[in-house]
Amino acid sequence: DQQVKQNSPSLSVQEGRISILNCDYTNSMFDYFLWYKKYPAEGPTFLISISSIKDKNEDGRFTVFLNKSAKHLSLHIVPSQPGDSAVYFCAALSENNDMRFGAGTRLTVKP
Amino acid sequence: DSGVTQTPKHLITATGQRVTLRCSPRSGDLSVYWYQQSLDQGLQFLIHYYNGEERAKGNILERFSAQQFPDLHSELNLSSLELGDSALYFCASSVGQRGGSPLHFGNGTRLTVT
Repeated sequence: DQQVKQNSPSLSVQEGRISILNCDYTNSMFDYFLWYKKYPAEGPTFLISISSIKDKNEDGRFTVFLNKSAKHLSLHIVPSQPGDSAVYFCAALSENNDMRFGAGTRLTVKP
Repeated sequence: DSGVTQTPKHLITATGQRVTLRCSPRSGDLSVYWYQQSLDQGLQFLIHYYNGEERAKGNILERFSAQQFPDLHSELNLSSLELGDSALYFCASSVGQRGGSPLHFGNGTRLTVT
C-alpha cells in the first residue's frame, strides 16, 4: 500500500525560478517528515525535515511546508539551481519507527 | 561520502540462488536500515536494527533475512531469488533508534537476477 505518494514523477523548472515538489500521505500516525535528494549512482542524502507540530521549516533555499489537515507536504526550492537536478524523495515516519518513502520526483533545473 | 559502506556494488546471480549483501554503518551510528528500490518504485523499507536488535520490519519477504553483528555491521540475506528481486538495495544508518534522525545512505548494491 502506498502510504506516501508523490504524484508527479518529474518536474522541470527554469534556473532561478521556484521548484515546488509535493507529497501526500494517508496514515495519520505519521508525525515526522523528511525530504531526501538522490543523484544517480549515489544513495539518497538528507535534505530537510519537519515535525508534525510545525507547519513550516526553512533551511537556506529549501523550505518544507506541512498541512496536516490535508495530509500534504511540499518542498520549495528558491531559487532553483542546475545542481538541484536530482530525484527527491519524501519520507514519513510514525511513532513505531515505521518510515515510508514516496516514489520520488525527478527535478530538472534548466540553465 | 556518507560514511556508509555497502558491498558488493553489483551482484549478478541466477534464480534460485542465495546472496548476502553487506553494510558497514557510519562510525558511531547504532541503527541500520535496509531498503529496496525497484524500477519506478520508491524506497521500500525492509528492516531496521538498532544495536544488534531488530526494531521494525517492513515489506520484507520471508525469503529475506537480516542481522546486525556486535561490531554493528549488517548483512541482508536474500534466498531462493526470483527475477522480481532484481533491484537496488540500500543500507542506511543513523545515530538513534528513531528514524527521525537523518539517515545516511550507502551507495547501494545493484542486484540482477537472471
